[in-house]
Amino acid sequence: DSGVTQTPKHLITATGQRVTLRCSPRSGDLSVYWYQQSLDQGLQFLIHYYNGEERAKGNILERFSAQQFPDLHSELNLSSLELGDSALYFCASSVPGQPQHFGDGTRLSIL
Amino acid sequence: DQQVKQNSPSLSVQEGRISILNCDYTNSMFDYFLWYKKYPAEGPTFLISISSIKDKNEDGRFTVFLNKSAKHLSLHIVPSQPGDSAVYFCAASGTNDYKLSFGAGTTVTVRA
Repeated sequence: DSGVTQTPKHLITATGQRVTLRCSPRSGDLSVYWYQQSLDQGLQFLIHYYNGEERAKGNILERFSAQQFPDLHSELNLSSLELGDSALYFCASSVPGQPQHFGDGTRLSIL
Repeated sequence: DQQVKQNSPSLSVQEGRISILNCDYTNSMFDYFLWYKKYPAEGPTFLISISSIKDKNEDGRFTVFLNKSAKHLSLHIVPSQPGDSAVYFCAASGTNDYKLSFGAGTTVTVRA
């Protein structure tokens, strides 16, 4: 158990819809990262938050947004969903400079 | 643009033998490298890391070697055990740039 909790584990929705993925980091970790893993590919970095502030952005679509709340949990919002958004979405947390620890991911399926 | 590459999608090894996984990178700003192990339906689990100031790091059965001039690193698992069957990801990051760039992964199968 990495200590990082992601909900829900599975999400099935339709094109054009909006969903919210939630992540609770390990106790004490101020950094939260979001990654996307499409079929049989490596993880692609989306965004990094540190103590509530956005620190870095990867190739995150404008339809996607995230935030980190005062209790340090984070949410990734995906809107106007397309078939190509079907993927595994992972959240990770860490102390800066230390290895990131990952949750078990949310599997998003767009029908 | 794939900055971290794992050119072997799969590796099959007999139990008790050595598993060698390879990883190449192109970004000379990378200075911290990690290996993660992933089982189905689980998130990646941190295995071992190495800083660019070292060329070798060992933790039990796992050793990571770094060749900076060749921009190459490898993970050695000795001896391989059935529980090592998983997907292994190589990842890298730069100084003060904590986002990780991942390779596509190598699926290791340990045969009894």
